[in-house]
Amino acid sequence: EVQLVQSGAEVKKPGESLKISCKGSGYSFTSYWIGWVRQMPGKGLEWMGIIYPGDSDTRYSPSFQGQVTISADKSISTAYLQWSSLKASDTAMYYCARLRGAGSSWHYWGQGTLVTVSS
Amino acid sequence: EIVMTQSPATLSVSPGERATLSCRASQSVSSNLAWYQQKPGQAPRLLIYGASTRATGIPARFSGSGSGTEFTLTISSLQSEDFAVYYCQQYNNWSYSFGQGTKLEIK
Repeated sequence: EVQLVQSGAEVKKPGESLKISCKGSGYSFTSYWIGWVRQMPGKGLEWMGIIYPGDSDTRYSPSFQGQVTISADKSISTAYLQWSSLKASDTAMYYCARLRGAGSSWHYWGQGTLVTVSS
Repeated sequence: EIVMTQSPATLSVSPGERATLSCRASQSVSSNLAWYQQKPGQAPRLLIYGASTRATGIPARFSGSGSGTEFTLTISSLQSEDFAVYYCQQYNNWSYSFGQGTKLEIK
């Protein structure tokens, strides 16, 4: 069974750094792209970027390029989303998802990680 | 970036009736279009990909159609569990933009 398990909720202050994770299991982690999606409170879905854990090829949405860093550690089947300096506007639910293939739909989703940034 | 526009923003339908949701792309995405369902407090769930292929375990009452720039999700006979928010997503040329969502509510 394909599963994506995300790290737990985080409460941070503006200016702090953060790295959240998404651990895949039940499939070959290095063979499928993983994507990240932001959902701000009461709002819709926004794609942030995708990574291919096999070679760490990464593509970013123009809206998020330079704002976040996506990475992966294939030795532990885990993808990451990180911020170097959080803002209050980063408060949102973040989902990871596994793509069906390159340039494809997002078939399996993690449970989400809620990030709250508040002074 | 390709802009996806869904209509209507909110759709009120009675259980047992048919619901038709629309999605328009700002440029052609061929059949590279997916539909997702999201219920409160849950992650999105894939319903349709390739514009018309149901994902594993999705009931036959869900169907998708369209290509190019105009797409439709039809739910043939609404069940109580179908009331949720629905998003379309295009996946074309390394871009994966979502529509703003249609909230399907009970009439």
